[in-house]
Amino acid sequence: AQKVTQAQTEISVVEKEDVTLDCVYETRDTTYYLFWYKQPPSGELVFLIRRNSFDEQNEISGRYSWNFQKSTSSFNFTITASQVVDSAVYFCALSEERGAAGNKLTFGGGTRVLVKP
Amino acid sequence: ETGVTQTPRHLVMGMTNKKSLKCEQHLGHNAMYWYKQSAKKPLELMFVYNFKEQTENNSVPSRFSPECPNSSHLFLHLHTLQPEDSALYLCASSHGGLPSYEQYFGPGTRLTVT
Repeated sequence: AQKVTQAQTEISVVEKEDVTLDCVYETRDTTYYLFWYKQPPSGELVFLIRRNSFDEQNEISGRYSWNFQKSTSSFNFTITASQVVDSAVYFCALSEERGAAGNKLTFGGGTRVLVKP
Repeated sequence: ETGVTQTPRHLVMGMTNKKSLKCEQHLGHNAMYWYKQSAKKPLELMFVYNFKEQTENNSVPSRFSPECPNSSHLFLHLHTLQPEDSALYLCASSHGGLPSYEQYFGPGTRLTVT
């Protein structure tokens, strides 16, 4: 069965500090997909990134970067020069290749990030 | 309206009431989902619909009854709920039912069962 673990429940930083969120996953499939979502106080989950299991290239998007390492089953997320607007709960999620059976996301427990001015 | 909308945003109901949650997606997607987010558990998938057909029921109690009349609309009918059903109910949609597609979420309905 698939599982996603986000060991950090809450991280507090001061604005402009970097913050790294850890995500470790378990799956028996060779083909799978990893996602990060942001949930601001408004409640809506906002899609940030998708990575498939065959693409281990790291990615950078503005102040966000992601480090995917299959050898350690990790997909970590770094916010550089954090801002108050980055305060939210961040979720890592995993879906396995199940053909037409449907897209079943398994979420980690989430990491609450609090950026103080 | 754009994206995924949900109504109502807040709902308080007694254990004997019947109510419905509504979700509408304006993204042209074919798959829709219901999730439950409670304070003490990770986000839990409840139901999946792909082209109006239910493809997943994650062992959800029968007091929750989903309905998907078309690919743009999804309902969750509630009856005789328990206090432990109080949670944020999130609707999502994706382009298709394949695992590679990212899901787009609505703002949720905050449900309180008294």
